[in-house]
Amino acid sequence: GENVEQHPSTLSVQEGDSAVIKCTYSDSASNYFPWYKQELGKGPQLIIDIRSNVGEKKDQRIAVTLNKTAKHFSLHITETQPEDSAVYFCAASISNYQLIWGAGTKLIIKP
Amino acid sequence: NAGVTQTPKFRVLKTGQSMTLLCAQDMNHEYMYWYRQDPGMGLRLIHYSVGEGTTAKGEVPDGYNVSRLKKQNFLLGLESAAPSQTSVYFCASSYFPASSPDTQYFGPGTRLTVL
Repeated sequence: GENVEQHPSTLSVQEGDSAVIKCTYSDSASNYFPWYKQELGKGPQLIIDIRSNVGEKKDQRIAVTLNKTAKHFSLHITETQPEDSAVYFCAASISNYQLIWGAGTKLIIKP
Repeated sequence: NAGVTQTPKFRVLKTGQSMTLLCAQDMNHEYMYWYRQDPGMGLRLIHYSVGEGTTAKGEVPDGYNVSRLKKQNFLLGLESAAPSQTSVYFCASSYFPASSPDTQYFGPGTRLTVL
């Protein structure tokens, strides 16, 4: 079946440094790629997304890049802060009504 | 505006027991989803609904049933619980379908343990 692979599973960075999380998808028909952030004990929250007709999107300290040929997309967080510590999930649309999710990356920001 | 609420927050069941998880949203969303979240596996879609009175199977539907009798509510039922159904269950809703640039709003989750 279709799947999304997400790496790394855990990422530890120094406060102020950048963090990059990468995802690879299998369904060439996928056209929507959101990123969600999940804090402890809460449901995931959308932080940024990208459509297949766009190569890059930025929102303040976070950005997402998409390479449709290689079927991979990445989340970039610059100038990391303690409140960025959370689990991040990538996802890809596999139909009009379904997303398939990566396994998650636990981001740890070291003071 | 409460967003998406889930009842209960925690539940412990014995194998073979049944239960219903309730999800309610007050945002007038057409689309509602039930996911399960297991360690190291991300979110997996169980069932979803594209409007009142409709339901459809997701990625892992076996052992679960759902109903959407009212637009604002989406119920997830376990008829005969098994230990493999121990998980955290999340309900979500959205105004547009999943393939659109639109957020899914998630509830706080229900932690279910089946002994």
